[in-house]
Amino acid sequence: QSALTQPVSVSGSPGQSITISCTGTNSDIGAYNYVSWYRQHPGKAPQLMIYEVTNRPSGLSNRFSGSKSGNTASLTISGLQAEDEGDYYCSSYTNSSPLLFGGGTKLTVL
Amino acid sequence: EVQLVQSGAEVKKPGESLRISCKGSGYNFPNYWINWVRQMPGKGLEWMGRINPSDSYINYSPSFRDHVTISTDKSISTAYLQWSSLKASDTAMYYCARQTSDYYLDSWGQGTLVTVSS
Repeated sequence: QSALTQPVSVSGSPGQSITISCTGTNSDIGAYNYVSWYRQHPGKAPQLMIYEVTNRPSGLSNRFSGSKSGNTASLTISGLQAEDEGDYYCSSYTNSSPLLFGGGTKLTVL
Repeated sequence: EVQLVQSGAEVKKPGESLRISCKGSGYNFPNYWINWVRQMPGKGLEWMGRINPSDSYINYSPSFRDHVTISTDKSISTAYLQWSSLKASDTAMYYCARQTSDYYLDSWGQGTLVTVSS
């Protein structure tokens, strides 16, 4: 099963908003509300940022938000900060596998 | 505090066997699936499989099913990932992660780096 499709890289200046897309099919993102997002800083383990499309874990900044339309999910980060830099991965439940990751997106804060 | 603590880095030769571990604490271990995720050098995350510690039911990704074995010992709150014959292409960081009932990974281990080289 192919990975979910994410842009290789996105960038933005401090204070700006950016959106990372994650495109799947009607067998995964389009069929279920089990999309989650993870951030990974260099040399660190991934960290959950968004679950079930729109939910933030307790304690996470409300600058992070998630949404979904059809087969595409999105992560939006508003008020970009230097510490937001890292690699971001989406994942989804699918009709053939409990979990499928996207290829990852490198976020650069200019 | 929920914690997943993984075993230390390993350096192995091709053809050797290996078992790495992931010990959970701070929660009721049998109540949450443990997933294994591979990250090859400079690459993205790949889901390998998961195990339900309460009954040892396992799902494998087709990409990994024939090459690794996932197991658990719930009496010591530990999950394992093992290889019977390593290849150089198994060189990667391996993460374990706790999964809720709603298919997201809410807590991750620190990772175990496996290096396979002759």
